[in-house]
Amino acid sequence: DAGVIQSPRHEVTEMGQEVTLRCKPISGHNSLFWYRQTMMRGLELLIYFNNNVPIDDSGMPEDRFSAKMPNASFSTLKIQPSEPRDSAVYFCASSKTGRETQYFGPGTRLLVL
Amino acid sequence: AQRVTQPEKLLSVFKGAPVELKCNYSYSGSPELFWYVQYSRQRLQLLLRHISRESIKGFTADLNKGETSFHLKKPFAQEEDSAMYYCAPFNTNAGKSTFGDGTTLTVKP
Repeated sequence: DAGVIQSPRHEVTEMGQEVTLRCKPISGHNSLFWYRQTMMRGLELLIYFNNNVPIDDSGMPEDRFSAKMPNASFSTLKIQPSEPRDSAVYFCASSKTGRETQYFGPGTRLLVL
Repeated sequence: AQRVTQPEKLLSVFKGAPVELKCNYSYSGSPELFWYVQYSRQRLQLLLRHISRESIKGFTADLNKGETSFHLKKPFAQEEDSAMYYCAPFNTNAGKSTFGDGTTLTVKP
């Protein structure tokens, strides 16, 4: 298995633009997590899905952020409109169940100018 | 509310010295306990999990239910251990893991 796949690996955009981050979890994993990592705030859980259903989105910063998981092999995190303070590394992780080991993707490094 | 505390944001030791990274959690019961490691500009990866009781790269972690702690230890630190370490207990009641703020370990030559 190739592990958790994220795309793009790097994204540079201008304030106000829409940004879509993509994630392909490990096959057979039923839980998927989106995290944001910054120097100031560390690692923050944004949202997690179980069997494609959002279970906890309390970490989503505001309405500009949305996440979907249309099927077991694909998830997106969308920011619209983007702002400079959204600049961070966004990680996707998956696990067999919510309580099992999480396997992280390589991350998407987002820079909003 | 559930809370995970890693009191040291930065920790620096010399090569060959013992190292202990502290982790305390606030919830009761027997959570699943994990330590993850992130080497420079790499993805987070599992370092060890309490239930497996393995020693990975010389690291061990002992659960102290009385103190609700799960400190990570290594008797002789190596330069390649320099990384960010996250404690992440799984809270059964909340149905999710909570990551601590992380400790950046630097092992000096």
